[in-house]
Amino acid sequence: SQTIHQWPATLVQPVGSPLSLECTVEGTSNPNLYWYRQAAGRGLQLLFYSVGIGQISSEVPQNLSASRPQDRQFILSSKKLLLSDSGFYLCAWSGQGDGNTIYFGEGSWLTVV
Amino acid sequence: AQSVSQHNHHVILSEAASLELGCNYSYGGTVNLFWYVQYPGQHLQLLLKYFSGDPLVKGIKGFEAEFIKSKFSFNLRKPSVQWSDTAEYFCAFSLSGGYNKLIFGAGTRLAVHP
Repeated sequence: SQTIHQWPATLVQPVGSPLSLECTVEGTSNPNLYWYRQAAGRGLQLLFYSVGIGQISSEVPQNLSASRPQDRQFILSSKKLLLSDSGFYLCAWSGQGDGNTIYFGEGSWLTVV
Repeated sequence: AQSVSQHNHHVILSEAASLELGCNYSYGGTVNLFWYVQYPGQHLQLLLKYFSGDPLVKGIKGFEAEFIKSKFSFNLRKPSVQWSDTAEYFCAFSLSGGYNKLIFGAGTRLAVHP
């Protein structure tokens, strides 16, 4: 069966420090991969999605970037964190093609201080 | 702009009460519709989904949702809630042919009292 893991689960980082959140998917190949951010009272906002290695699409302008160095690995990064980057980040995957269910990871709490 | 509106931000019910959570989406084309649930301390899980066919969709744990295209709505219902249904519920849609990019509503927090 397919599984998705992301880490770290919680992270406290000072303003201006770098960020790296990692996500891996097991049990499937060539998945679509996503990074979402969940803000209280605002639902989930899609940040990035990827349909293949090295293919990243950004949905909103921001201080973050994403990379997909391997088929089942998706990384969310920042060179210099801002206070406004604090939030709950979710990695997700789906099969290729339209209409597939999206499956979410456990999430990562990021607090920028 | 494409968006999802969930009308109730917080709902409080007693056990055995009926539940209906409203959801409306803004998009004129063909969509896929979803309800996700997040139980306390757990990750987001799919509750049910609609892609095509019968507009009345049945999901897990006795939940169902009805797609009414003319109203751009996809309301979630359950005839009798349980304490274990306490969770946050998210409505979402994706565009057909749109790489499964989900657009979420703000969520509804449901608290069920015994």
